[in-house]
Amino acid sequence: AQSVAQPEDQVNVAEGNPLTVKCTYSVSGNPYLFWYVQYPNRGLQFLLKYITGDNLVKGSYGFEAEFNKSQTSFHLKKPSALVSDSALYFCAVRDPLDSGAGSYQLTFGKGTKLSVIP
Amino acid sequence: DAGVIQSPRHEVTEMGQEVTLRCKPISGHDYLFWYRQTMMRGLELLIYFNNNVPIDDSGMPEDRFSAKMPNASFSTLKIQPSEPRDSAVYFCASRGQEPPQHFGDGTRLSIL
Repeated sequence: AQSVAQPEDQVNVAEGNPLTVKCTYSVSGNPYLFWYVQYPNRGLQFLLKYITGDNLVKGSYGFEAEFNKSQTSFHLKKPSALVSDSALYFCAVRDPLDSGAGSYQLTFGKGTKLSVIP
Repeated sequence: DAGVIQSPRHEVTEMGQEVTLRCKPISGHDYLFWYRQTMMRGLELLIYFNNNVPIDDSGMPEDRFSAKMPNASFSTLKIQPSEPRDSAVYFCASRGQEPPQHFGDGTRLSIL
């Protein structure tokens, strides 16, 4: 079974400072990993994904994430936070070795609320 | 390109009434997913389709919930009869042969 954990319900960061939103996962094989962002009254918007290749993945709006297999982590980062980055962030995982009926579904974390303070 | 389109955006109805939520996936996408989001339970997958065929409905909470996909450009999620505990935001998402899933803006459902 696959699972994902976002250990922080909320992260506060000052505008202009670097930000990190943490995610750890558990799968049987090599994971597919995703980050999404949700603004109020909107759906989830895709930010970036890791399937294979370079461990550092660059995505939309200046975000990046680093896949760390030994620590089973996929933390989201941005060098300089903007007030407009304030939103709810979701990490998601899919186990490509899962060939059962649910093999195309993603498992989402509980979400981390990011607040960027001016 | 148009994204995933859901309607209505908001629905308020009384307990016992039938509720129908609608979704138009992105053209060319052959996977469609229905999710429910609540504060208590987070984001839950209810059902997903591949090429209009339901593949996994293990997340559908009760027989009161049903979903159909009569063609590649339309899907419905129906609740009959509705109950107050069904109040949530319901999302539809679609994807092509490769990830990621793309989400609609959801339907905020309130059952009084």
